Amino acid sequence: DSGVTQTPKHLITATGQRVTLRCSPRSGDLSVYWYQQSLDQGLQFLIQYYNGEERAKGNILERFSAQQFPDLHSELNLSSLELGDSALYFCASSVDGFGGYTFGSGTRLTVV
Amino acid sequence: DQQVKQNSPSLSVQEGRISILNCDYTNSMFDYFLWYKKYPAEGPTFLISISSIKDKNEDGRFTVFLNKSAKHLSLHIVPSQPGDSAVYFCAASAGGSNYKLTFGKGTLLTVNP
Repeated sequence: DSGVTQTPKHLITATGQRVTLRCSPRSGDLSVYWYQQSLDQGLQFLIQYYNGEERAKGNILERFSAQQFPDLHSELNLSSLELGDSALYFCASSVDGFGGYTFGSGTRLTVV
Repeated sequence: DQQVKQNSPSLSVQEGRISILNCDYTNSMFDYFLWYKKYPAEGPTFLISISSIKDKNEDGRFTVFLNKSAKHLSLHIVPSQPGDSAVYFCAASAGGSNYKLTFGKGTLLTVNP
């Protein structure tokens, strides 16, 4: 157990729907990161939050949004889902600054 | 445009021998590099990192070498153990920290007993 909790582990939904992925960071970590891993791509950075504020943005689609709440948990909202959104979505957390993140075990999203 | 490239999708070595995993990058702004290991059904686990002010960093059986002029880094595992069998990702960032990592596509290492 890495200390980063992601729920749900698996999600199957239809095209056009909206889903919410949840992440609880490791205790004491203020930064939360979201990454997408699809079959033909490596891990792609989506977005980072630090203590409730957006800090960095990657190739995140406009249909996707995220937030970090006062208790530091984070949610990634994916709407108007398309087949191509099927992927593993990882959350990671860090105290911030240097060193490696701690990743959760991911949410596997399947859009049918 | 892939800024971090791991050109070998897979590598197979014998237990006890050295494993060498390679990574190339194109973005000259990258100044912080990391290696992650990933087992199936788990998230990536941080292994080791190196800043561009160094050319080598060691942690137990793992050593990362950085050749800035060649824009190349490598991870050496000595000696290799069957439990090291996993996918290894190289990652890089700019600005000297771990913000916004750019990952390679990974190399599957298999260590045979």
